[in-house]
Amino acid sequence: DQQVKQNSPSLSVQEGRISILNCDYTNSMFDYFLWYKKYPAEGPTFLISISSIKDKNEDGRFTVFLNKSAKHLSLHIVPSQPGDSAVYFCAARKAGTSGSRLTFGEGTQLTVNP
Amino acid sequence: DTGVSQNPRHKITKRGQNVTFRCDPISEHNRLYWYRQTLGQGPEFLTYFQNEAQLEKSRLLSDRFSAERPKGSFSTLEIQRTEQGDSAMYLCASSRRQSSYEQYFGPGTRLTVT
Repeated sequence: DQQVKQNSPSLSVQEGRISILNCDYTNSMFDYFLWYKKYPAEGPTFLISISSIKDKNEDGRFTVFLNKSAKHLSLHIVPSQPGDSAVYFCAARKAGTSGSRLTFGEGTQLTVNP
Repeated sequence: DTGVSQNPRHKITKRGQNVTFRCDPISEHNRLYWYRQTLGQGPEFLTYFQNEAQLEKSRLLSDRFSAERPKGSFSTLEIQRTEQGDSAMYLCASSRRQSSYEQYFGPGTRLTVT
């Protein structure tokens, strides 16, 4: 049962343009959503999070949008830079879970071309 | 803040051998998590500690796996009688209790069972 799904395994964009990474979820009990970036041979790096009571959170070039009715979130990177090339994971936490285990999607490989 | 560290970074072992991995979390974080990641997938939760207490274990954590955090600081993950299916990246993460959804990952230990 894949509760968090990233349907696009890869995305390629030009430097300076917008990158939009998408994520869908099925469990309405998720209360926090996060995006992580992962370079090869490194652990995932926390990027940005959003609470389920919000619909947008912005941090510099990164903005996460949450559409609860559609059970969909997206990460916008503007402007995209070659250093943003990495695998991006969407993750979610279930409300009331004392341990805060995160459920991850499969990841999307972003390539930003100079 | 030196980040989460994991040792060793790589481990190659023969099927049937026991292996042990170590994780040192961020010093002020009292929660520590273990995840496993296989190729093409996102990290999957294994277990978590609050201080020295192991409070949650995934069904993925078979009886060949054991984790400890004896003094509430570093943690070890041991796999007994390794199988080829245990080959994966083992990731450790830590967080503060108050914002436990924001988990910070180490670089991981890559296990290869031959």
